[in-house]
Amino acid sequence: DVKVTQSSRYLVKRTGEKVFLECVQDMDHENMFWYRQDPGLGLRLIYFSYDVKMKEKGDIPEGYSVSREKKERFSLILESASTNQTSMYLCASSPSRTGNQPQHFGDGTRLSIL
Amino acid sequence: RKEVEQDPGPFNVPEGATVAFNCTYSNSASQSFFWYRQDCRKEPKLLMSVYSSGNEDGRFTAQLNRASQYISLLIRDSKLSDSATYLCVVRPDMDSNYQLIWGAGTKLIIKP
Repeated sequence: DVKVTQSSRYLVKRTGEKVFLECVQDMDHENMFWYRQDPGLGLRLIYFSYDVKMKEKGDIPEGYSVSREKKERFSLILESASTNQTSMYLCASSPSRTGNQPQHFGDGTRLSIL
Repeated sequence: RKEVEQDPGPFNVPEGATVAFNCTYSNSASQSFFWYRQDCRKEPKLLMSVYSSGNEDGRFTAQLNRASQYISLLIRDSKLSDSATYLCVVRPDMDSNYQLIWGAGTKLIIKP
């Protein structure tokens, strides 16, 4: 079974803090994704990566950055947290660049910015 | 118009009933379609892929209608454990190998 592990289930931070969310997958997947999910909205893609050290902006990259130094790890960074970044953050991975491959998700991190 | 639209529900359905809901998509070049299930405060999990010819997995049947640009999910003999939010997911085109477009979900509540 694919295992995608996010470092925290719940996190509370203060406005202006730099926040790191970590994600690790154990299936040697090429692709990794960071989404946020808010009530009434579908999952929105923040950033994705299809290879080590590669990253691409998704639909809502503003206020975020990412790092992929190793294939199994994809980190999301909130440079200066703001209250509108309070959300559920979901990391996902998928096996290859092509094909009809579904994404596998971690448990999610509920982040609150006070 | 949203790229992927779903009725948010909730659909309140008695146990044992059959329920169906649709999802419409705007990009006619869309290539791949999925239904995911998400339980409250949990991560989405793949329920089934949707093939052009339609597919069935036990009590669940998924259909694709390219002409009208929608996919459907039918659940027969519904169980209490089917209560969840069902997310419709579309891969827009052949150039979007990584990106998926997610619907906001349809909430289903099965009542005893």
